[in-house]
Amino acid sequence: GAGVSQTPSNKVTEKGKYVELRCDPISGHTALYWYRQSLGQGPEFLIYFQGTGAADDSGLPNDRFFAVRPEGSVSTLKIQRTERGDSAVYLCASSPRLAGYTGELFFGEGSRLTVL
Amino acid sequence: AQSVTQPDIHITVSEGASLELRCNYSYGATPYLFWYVQSPGQGLQLLLKYFSGDTLVQGIKGFEAEFKRSQSSFNLRKPSVHWSDAAEYFCAVASRNAGNNRKLIWGLGTSLAVNP
Repeated sequence: GAGVSQTPSNKVTEKGKYVELRCDPISGHTALYWYRQSLGQGPEFLIYFQGTGAADDSGLPNDRFFAVRPEGSVSTLKIQRTERGDSAVYLCASSPRLAGYTGELFFGEGSRLTVL
Repeated sequence: AQSVTQPDIHITVSEGASLELRCNYSYGATPYLFWYVQSPGQGLQLLLKYFSGDTLVQGIKGFEAEFKRSQSSFNLRKPSVHWSDAAEYFCAVASRNAGNNRKLIWGLGTSLAVNP
């Protein structure tokens, strides 16, 4: 597709379960970001990939959260032992690697996670 | 600590009226400045950005923003609002010294409603 694709769009799970959220960035975009947006809040940075490696994972709230991008394209955000406080919209964004910084991120529509 | 403040949580304007959404930031130095819009069912989209130069920047959809260093502000304006402008608007900043990772710091957003 032309834009950033995130699946599933909605996920309802029970406390303690494991969840995977997938992001398919725009083809050719080397940078990929995960953000989390709680109700009434702005997006909160989680992790940034440049290629296959996590260049900055300082936003991951704890060790229950992990993300991978093994081939430098699709990324998966993994949440273990989910808690009710993990309920939020998880946003993925990508950007191309350009000679100069443009600042523009291209966002997907998000994956809404509800932990019961 | 770095922060972005959007003082207005919710604004309602009449179609055709002018609009100004406020944004103030707290940063060690002038950051990169952005306005994004989040429409229902759509991903965040960049409206405009300020990096340097002319402090009045033009964006898409008829929006503009003015950077005022003395006030640490980057207010968004539109001379005549259309019903399709109803959305959530986010102000964001990024560090000029972050290397390749320009993670964004976001405000809480301003929800805009447009009366016919």
